[in-house]
Parts: sequence; structure tokens; C-alpha cells
Amino acid sequence: AQSVSQHNHHVILSEAASLELGCNYSYGGTVNLFWYVQYPGQHLQLLLKYFSGDPLVKGIKGFEAEFIKSKFSFYLRKPSVQWSDTAEYFCAVNRGSSASKIIFGSGTRLSIRP
Amino acid sequence: EAGVTQFPSHSVIEKGQTVTLRCDPISGHDNLYWYRRVMGKEIKFLLHFVKESKQDESGMPNNRFLAERTGGTYSTLKVQPAELEDSGVYFCASSQDPGGSYNEQFFGPGTRLTVL
Repeated sequence: AQSVSQHNHHVILSEAASLELGCNYSYGGTVNLFWYVQYPGQHLQLLLKYFSGDPLVKGIKGFEAEFIKSKFSFYLRKPSVQWSDTAEYFCAVNRGSSASKIIFGSGTRLSIRP
Repeated sequence: EAGVTQFPSHSVIEKGQTVTLRCDPISGHDNLYWYRRVMGKEIKFLLHFVKESKQDESGMPNNRFLAERTGGTYSTLKVQPAELEDSGVYFCASSQDPGGSYNEQFFGPGTRLTVL
């Protein structure tokens, strides 16, 4: 079955620490990859996406990600986190057309200690 | 520009009752999606409309769930009769017709459904 597996359920960091969240997906072929974020009390929103080309992609709010095709992995990174980055982060995949359904991971809750 | 809106924000019903959730997509978006997150688990796809037609309903859990999108504008998702396991947050998303380029799926705030 198609699936997305996130490496961590809950991550706790201090402000200014570096962040890396990873996920693996189980599809073959061409995929589109996403990291979504849901801040407390807010909508799910797109942080960044990988569609094709350069495996290093930049997103909003200082986030970036790396697609490692050989390992079916997609890593979200931020060099220095802030308290405002406290949120739940979702790795997600869809195949083929960007209009097709999105398959989400179970989410990683990030807590930042001030 | 208004985002995706959903109504109600919360609904608490008893097992066996009927509930109807509504989603208003971003104006002009042909694609409309329903997703659901059961407590502590992943967000799961339910179905996808292109205008008023069901493009993919592979995620609908059973025939107690009925989704409609009359006129290709807003959509409703009816659960009848509701069961305890239907509790969760129901998200709606919309996107433009791709036309060969990437179009982001924009998500609504969700409806939190609690079945007692």
C-alpha cells in the first residue's frame, strides 16, 4: 500500500537549534513531495514542495528541504528554529498530476523551548 | 481573496444521528477535495471533485458517507448514520485546474466532528 512514514512523532528543541525532520515514502515512479505545517489554531498550509529538478528546495519562513530519490526520502531543515516554529509538520506525497490526491504522513509535533 | 471555508467549525452529535458538513472552495477552483484526520493518525484522503463530477472517491470509508457538489461550487459531506469511529477533523481543500503546471491545494480550517 502507498504510504508516507515520518521519522519522528514529537521533537523538542531549544530556540536557535537546528531542525531536521525526515520522511520516507513507498511509491515508485514520479512523485511530487510536500511539507505542510499547521500552527496552533490555524489552517494547514504549504511550507514547500518538490516537483522536479534541483533536489534542494526552499520554502517559506526559512525552511528548506532535500529530496534524496535513491532513499525515497524527503528532509525538512531549518538552521535556527524560533519559538514561533512550534507546530505540527506533515510530509506528503502525490503522484502524477498535481491535482491528484495527497497522501500524508502522520505528522511530527515540534515543540520549541524559549 | 477569501480562502477555503468550512461550516460548522465544530459539531457534536450522538451515534445514529445525521450530520452535514459544508465546504466553500476558493472562487474559481475546479478541484475540491475532502480529507479526514482521526485522532492521532494521518490525514487521509476521502474524495476529489472536478467541478461537479467525482474524479476519485477511493477514500470514502463506506456508504454512510455521501458527498455532493451540485453546480460545481460548494460541496457537502453527509454522514448518515454517524458512528463513533467517524469522529475526527474533516478538511476540505481546493485547487485550480492544473493545466500542465503545479497548482497548490489550499486547505480549509476543518470541521471537528465528535460522535458520542
